[in-house]
Parts: sequence; C-alpha cells; structure tokens
Amino acid sequence: GENVEQHPSTLSVQEGDSAVIKCTYSDSASNYFPWYKQELGKRPQLIIDIRSNVGEKKDQRIAVTLNKTAKHFSLHITETQPEDSAVYFCAASGVGQGAQKLVFGQGTRLTINP
Amino acid sequence: DTAVSQTPKYLVTQMGNDKSIKCEQNLGHDTMYWYKQDSKKFLKIMFSYNNKELIINETVPNRFSPKSPDKAHLNLHINSLELGDSAVYFCASSQGGGHSPLHFGNGTRLTVT
Repeated sequence: GENVEQHPSTLSVQEGDSAVIKCTYSDSASNYFPWYKQELGKRPQLIIDIRSNVGEKKDQRIAVTLNKTAKHFSLHITETQPEDSAVYFCAASGVGQGAQKLVFGQGTRLTINP
Repeated sequence: DTAVSQTPKYLVTQMGNDKSIKCEQNLGHDTMYWYKQDSKKFLKIMFSYNNKELIINETVPNRFSPKSPDKAHLNLHINSLELGDSAVYFCASSQGGGHSPLHFGNGTRLTVT
C-alpha cells in the first residue's frame, strides 16, 4: 500500500521568511496530493491540493510542487506570518472504489517566530 | 451551520466499557470516513462508507463497528474499550470517490482510564 514520508517533523522560521515542507510517496498510482493545516485543538483543514497532471499550483502565499518521476511533492509558504503556526500534513491518494483512501504523512509542526 | 458535526466532543470512560460516537454531515456528500489521530498526531484512516456501503475497512480491531443509517450519518461504536484506544477520532466527508477535499468534523477526544 501507499506510504507517505514527511519532513521535517518540526520547523521554526522567522516571521517573513519562507518555509518548505517535503513529502515522498511510494505508490506510483497515487494521483492526488492535498495539504492540510491543523491548528492546536482544531480539525485538519485543506489549504491546497494538486493533481498529478499538474507540476505546480499557487494560491497567494502558498504553493505546492509535484515531481511524479521522483515521487515527491513540497509545500512552500512565503512571507510567513504568526497565524501560519500549526501542524501541516501532506497526503497522497489513488483512485478508490467510491472512496478515496488518503494516506497522511507524519506531520510538520511549523512555528513562526515574531 | 457546522458542515460535519460529531458528538460528543470529549469522552472519558473506563476500560471495558462500550461507547459510541455520532457523526452527521449536511454537505450532501456521498462518502464519509472515520480517522484516528494518536498522541503523536498521526492521522490514519479506519473506515469509509459510500452511500451507506462500507468501502474501506483498514486493519481495525473488530471491537470497532461503524454504522451508516443513511448517507448523512456515520456512527462509530467501540466495544470493550482499551487504554490504547485513547485518541482523537475525526469524522470526515467528501463528494464521491474522486479527488475532492475531505471535510473534517471537530473531533472527539476519547480518553480511556
């Protein structure tokens, strides 16, 4: 089955700097890669996703890149702000049987230092 | 209106007891899920139902039994609770089986003493 590795497990950056989180996946059939943000004590929420027919996607300060050949994808946050502090999860999913089986990475705790 | 709501928010119980967690979504989605988040924050899928039919059943002990009375509800019943069952359980829903975003509920923190 699919296995998703995520690193680093913790990341601390100065406010205004960029943050990069990287993930690798094992199943070449996976074709959907969402990123979720989970603030302390709250539910995971989707912040951006990318499908395998696209190499890069951007939404304001957030961008995701996908390298299908190498089976890795990354989240880039620019001009970081204190409210970006949270745990970020990458995930990978293939075509399901009426349901998507998202396999999550281990999470990255991002801290933005003012 | 909360899109995916689950109750209770907190559940404290003793080993050996049986408990249930309820989940309802008002998004009109076809597919619902249960995820478990352990103390290290690792999120793992347990079950998925598509239009009341069980689609995904990971290697979860059979003490855990999901029930979907209709496509807007997916409940989780746990028998003979063990210390290792302590975790946060998230219900989620998505539209169909394609690559549409998961919408999570606010979670149920289960503590088994």
